[in-house]
Amino acid sequence: AQSVTQLDSQVPVFEEAPVELRCNYSSSVSVYLFWYVQYPNQGLQLLLKYLSGSTLVKGINGFEAEFNKSQTSFHLRKPSVHISDTAEYFCAVSGFQGGSEKLVFGKGTKLTVNP
Amino acid sequence: DAGVIQSPRHEVTEMGQEVTLRCKPISGHDYLFWYRQTMMRGLELLIYFNNNVPIDDSGMPEDRFSAKMPNASFSTLKIQPSEPRDSAVYFCASSTSDTQYFGPGTRLTVL
Repeated sequence: AQSVTQLDSQVPVFEEAPVELRCNYSSSVSVYLFWYVQYPNQGLQLLLKYLSGSTLVKGINGFEAEFNKSQTSFHLRKPSVHISDTAEYFCAVSGFQGGSEKLVFGKGTKLTVNP
Repeated sequence: DAGVIQSPRHEVTEMGQEVTLRCKPISGHDYLFWYRQTMMRGLELLIYFNNNVPIDDSGMPEDRFSAKMPNASFSTLKIQPSEPRDSAVYFCASSTSDTQYFGPGTRLTVL
């Protein structure tokens, strides 16, 4: 079974500052890792994903994440945030068993970007 | 592609009434997932289907909840009878391989 821990429930930052949202996972099998973003009153939108290959993954809206197997982490980063990045961010993991296995989500991190 | 379509977007009902939520997955996707999101419990997987067959319904809270997928382009989640604690946002997602794509959700309020 897999589990995900998002270490910060809320992260306030100022506009144009860098941000890192932390995610740690546990799994007994190889994993796929995902970050989704949820804007107010909307569904979840895929930001980026790690399946295999390069451990640095680039996504939409200038976000990137690095897969660190030894530390079982998949932290999300952006060098300079905008007001429009204010949203809730979810880290998710699925066990690689050859199919579209179910995702296990973290509790989410609310990012608030202040002017 | 239109993406995952859910209806209705908002539903307000009274305790004891039957509620039916609908989902149209992305064409060609063979997996369909139903989730519930609340402040207290976050995102919970309720049930998922592969090729219209339920694979794992261990997340369905109780017998009041049921889900069907009569064909590859349509699924329903039914609550009968509804209770105030069922108030939540219900999401449908579909996928064909490794990535799930979510619909906009149905916000259910049970009075």
